[in-house]
Amino acid sequence: KAGVTQTPRYLIKTRGQQVTLSCSPISGHRSVSWYQQTPGQGLQFLFEYFSETQRNKGNFPGRFSGRQFSNSRSEMNVSTLELGDSALYLCASSSTVVGSVVNEQYFGPGTRLTVT
Amino acid sequence: AQSVTQPDIHITVSEGASLELRCNYSYGATPYLFWYVQSPGQGLQLLLKYFSGDTLVQGIKGFEAEFKRSQSSFNLRKPSVHWSDAAEYFCAVGVGGGADGLTFGKGTHLIIQP
Repeated sequence: KAGVTQTPRYLIKTRGQQVTLSCSPISGHRSVSWYQQTPGQGLQFLFEYFSETQRNKGNFPGRFSGRQFSNSRSEMNVSTLELGDSALYLCASSSTVVGSVVNEQYFGPGTRLTVT
Repeated sequence: AQSVTQPDIHITVSEGASLELRCNYSYGATPYLFWYVQSPGQGLQLLLKYFSGDTLVQGIKGFEAEFKRSQSSFNLRKPSVHWSDAAEYFCAVGVGGGADGLTFGKGTHLIIQP
């Protein structure tokens, strides 16, 4: 099975612009989560989608948004970019196992976003 | 809210020596615990997980971890490290259905001396 793929791998944007990142989960996985990784804050949960619905969201401003498509692919969007948005954005997918409370997440390689 | 503490920011170990990375969690109920490894420029790879049952869990690459409820710990061990084990290691706790996302520790940077 192919792993989680993220595109693009690297991105350079200017303050004030917006950006869209894409994530394709492992085939059969219907849950997609997004995380931001920075040297200062570490790994922080952004949001999680399951069957095209956002089930939960971390403590990030409304400039961060996402969506999931019927094929489980997901995109996240950051509007009005700030310098502090420079980070590695990681996508993770997981399957939904009946009777399982928490499912293990498989991570993609990430998208390195640099805001100048 | 849950939290994870990895007390050691950096650890240096000689190749062939044993390794133990510490992880302490804070959560009121039964936690679901994970260890991930991240090599430079890469995403996170799952090493092992604890959901329930046997408190000593085996993972990939020769790693194991032991869940100790009384100490709120989930330490990662390896009997003999290899130079390729140099990486960043993250402990994480998951709660409630997976929709809440994982809460990660700040990570431990492992350096292997020849």
